[in-house]
Amino acid sequence: DAGVTQSPTHLIKTRGQHVTLRCSPISGHKSVSWYQQVLGQGPQFIFQYYEKEERGRGNFPDRFSARQFPNYSSELNVNALLLGDSALYLCASSLGSFSGANVLTFGAGSRLTVL
Amino acid sequence: AQKVTQAQTEISVVEKEDVTLDCVYETRDTTYYLFWYKQPPSGELVFLIRRNSFDEQNEISGRYSWNFQKSTSSFNFTITASQVVDSAVYFCALSEARGDDKIIFGKGTRLHILP
Repeated sequence: DAGVTQSPTHLIKTRGQHVTLRCSPISGHKSVSWYQQVLGQGPQFIFQYYEKEERGRGNFPDRFSARQFPNYSSELNVNALLLGDSALYLCASSLGSFSGANVLTFGAGSRLTVL
Repeated sequence: AQKVTQAQTEISVVEKEDVTLDCVYETRDTTYYLFWYKQPPSGELVFLIRRNSFDEQNEISGRYSWNFQKSTSSFNFTITASQVVDSAVYFCALSEARGDDKIIFGKGTRLHILP
């Protein structure tokens, strides 16, 4: 079975541009979460989507947005890129139970460099 | 406020030595979940263990063992007879039972196993 797949794996943008990152969850998983991992730090929660609805949002500006499609894949969009947005963006999927005990399966990430 | 502290930024040991990675957490909730994830150079976070706040039994899985102590808010991870393949960044993480997949990660401990 395929794991969580993310695209693109690497990309370079300039300040002010827009970026779209894509994620396909494990088959059968209805929840997708996005995390940002800055170099040398742990991942930080950005969003969670479950059944196309936003279930959780981290402390990120409105330049960050996401959506989930009927096939449970997801996109993360970041507008007006800043240098500080350079990071590894990780997507994770889960069954999406409400307990908080979900084991997240992570993809290999999309490494974004903003120049 | 919830927080996870991994005081050891980087550890180097010689192969076959035992090594313990420390994790201290803060939460006001009585129901929560603790995790350890491994991040090899490929970038993908790999799930190792999940523990709920009501289960303080220590766990052993092969060369890996975990010691959970609520009295000291610690959830330490020991690798016995370390191997070069154990070299990675290890993250301790906390999830509060809020109904979403928000996980709070520590900053990670980079472990080098020297041959």
